[in-house]
Amino acid sequence: DTEVTQTPKHLVMGMTNKKSLKCEQHMGHRAMYWYKQKAKKPPELMFVYSYEKLSINESVPSRFSPECPNSSLLNLHLHALQPEDSALYLCASSPRTATEAFFGQGTRLTVV
Amino acid sequence: GENVEQHPSTLSVQEGDSAVIKCTYSDSASNYFPWYKQELGKGPQLIIDIRSNVGEKKDQRIAVTLNKTAKHFSLHITETQPEDSAVYFCAAGQAGTALIFGKGTTLSVSS
Repeated sequence: DTEVTQTPKHLVMGMTNKKSLKCEQHMGHRAMYWYKQKAKKPPELMFVYSYEKLSINESVPSRFSPECPNSSLLNLHLHALQPEDSALYLCASSPRTATEAFFGQGTRLTVV
Repeated sequence: GENVEQHPSTLSVQEGDSAVIKCTYSDSASNYFPWYKQELGKGPQLIIDIRSNVGEKKDQRIAVTLNKTAKHFSLHITETQPEDSAVYFCAAGQAGTALIFGKGTTLSVSS
């Protein structure tokens, strides 16, 4: 099973809302990632967790707050987003960093 | 940091033809090079990968070649089919970092 599950699939939120994106994998992977993807662009790295510790934060605005409660779960907490934050948010996991990474189907986020 | 260049940005082929997509990377420390296929509305799907200690890898109609000296790697798809139509991304990575992606190639296979 190479499945990474992301919920919700679609999310519409206002600029004053607080919401969370969730990601789950049961492959025993110890690296998990959040990527942001705009239309017709490649995935852009946001955060990397390695062994449940934040190892890379690509200068992402503080309105995005990641959390890794355990080795199977990854959350992305959203607060006070801007319309330009509308995008496909992808979660991925891999056994370790720089090994085969498997992506979820993404959450399509629209900020209104 | 790592920079990955990918060409061409669009590629149109007839069914049954071969398709080749090329990528170059900048960081000689990168040692892992995967290729992803992304269909509309879906997440990227890993289709093949190669490590720097290997020059070529093949899986049915798909092959990847790596030239470490020149710092470039290529995806080869033979006997293309309409269902191969998608956006293809190359990426490069090394231990302790995450994958850095090329800008993508939109492949269209017409029947």
